Parts: sequence; C-alpha cells; structure tokens
Amino acid sequence: ELKVEQNPLFLSMQEGKNYTIYCNYSTTSDRLYWYRQDPGKSLESLFVLLSNGAVKQEGRLMASLDTKARLSTLHITAAVHDLSATYFCAVGPPNTGNQFYFGTGTSLTVIP
Amino acid sequence: EAQVTQNPRYLITVTGKKLTVTCSQNMNHEYMSWYRQDPGLGLRQIYYSMNVEVTDKGDVPEGYKVSRKEKRNFPLILESPSPNQTSLYFCASRGRGGYTFGSGTRLTVV
Repeated sequence: ELKVEQNPLFLSMQEGKNYTIYCNYSTTSDRLYWYRQDPGKSLESLFVLLSNGAVKQEGRLMASLDTKARLSTLHITAAVHDLSATYFCAVGPPNTGNQFYFGTGTSLTVIP
Repeated sequence: EAQVTQNPRYLITVTGKKLTVTCSQNMNHEYMSWYRQDPGLGLRQIYYSMNVEVTDKGDVPEGYKVSRKEKRNFPLILESPSPNQTSLYFCASRGRGGYTFGSGTRLTVV
C-alpha cells in the first residue's frame, strides 16, 4: 500500500522565521503536487513537480523534489500570518492512471 | 472561469434518506474524482472516473455510488446514508496541472 507521510503534522512558528515541511512517499513516483487549504475552504494548487530535482518558487514558498529519496520539501521563508493554513502533498505513482494519494496534511500557524 | 461546482455546500439529513451531491466542471477534463476529508485521516478517495461511462472504486467506496453519463457531471449518490458518512466531501477534476477542487460539501447524517 502506498503511503504518503508529512512531517510535521502541526507547526507553529513565529513571523519572520524559516521552516521546512517534509513529504515522504513509499513508492516510485514522478509527479508530486502541493496544495494549500484554508479553514473551511477548498484545496488550492500551489506547485506541480514533475521531475527529479525540480524546484518551484512562489513568494515565500519554495518546493523541491528528490525522486531518488522519495522526498519533497516545502520551504517557508520569513513566514507571515497569511501563510497560516494546512498544506498537503499528493503523489501520483506511475501505472495508477490518474489516481492521487494525499498526505495527511501539515497544519501551519504563523504567530505574530 | 475554470471551476468545479459542487452543490449543496451544507447538508443535514437523516439516516437512510437517499441523497445526491452534484458536481460539474467546465474544463473538459476527462478525469474526475470524489474525496472525503475527516480529521486526522486526510483526504481519502471514494470513486473516480477516467471518462464518460468509466468509473472505478477508490479507497473508501462502501456506501457510495457514482455515475458519469456526461463528461462535465459526476454526481455522488448515497443510497442509504449513515452517521459514519458525516464528513466533508470534495469533488475534483484533473488536468495537466493537477487537481482542481470544488468548494466542498459538508454533510451531516443524524
């Protein structure tokens, strides 16, 4: 059974600090996605990583993918309150059609 | 605007009373899917559809039905809802950039 694990599950950090969220997955995949969910809202696509070594950046968020280590990271630089949300990674292994497997999410709270 | 539209947003119903949650997308995506989200369990796939008239079970299909008679619509049917189906449900369609999610349906079965 494919497993997608995120660490940490809960993260409380001060404004201005840096931190990294980790996403490990248990089988080969060449597709990894990051999503953001605000409380009571839907999921919003953040990044699509489609190859080993891929790096994407948007504002204070940067995502990377290491397919050999089966690891993706979401790095937060100089956090601000607006980044408070739950972040999910999702993996789409080959030979599973379009099926995705989601991590359990990381709930991020940025404290002023 | 590209979007996935779900209705209703909120629904309270009684055990055993059949209900349908509608889902429609305007992006001409072939792939659509239903997920449920529960605290501590993340997102779990209920059913998915690769194309019209092609549907398949996800990880938690028990108690649910779907149909895909047209490309844009993918309704979720609960023939006899039970309290353990109280959850937040998301419909999604998939294109090149990954999933686009609907706004969610919060279902409570009493």
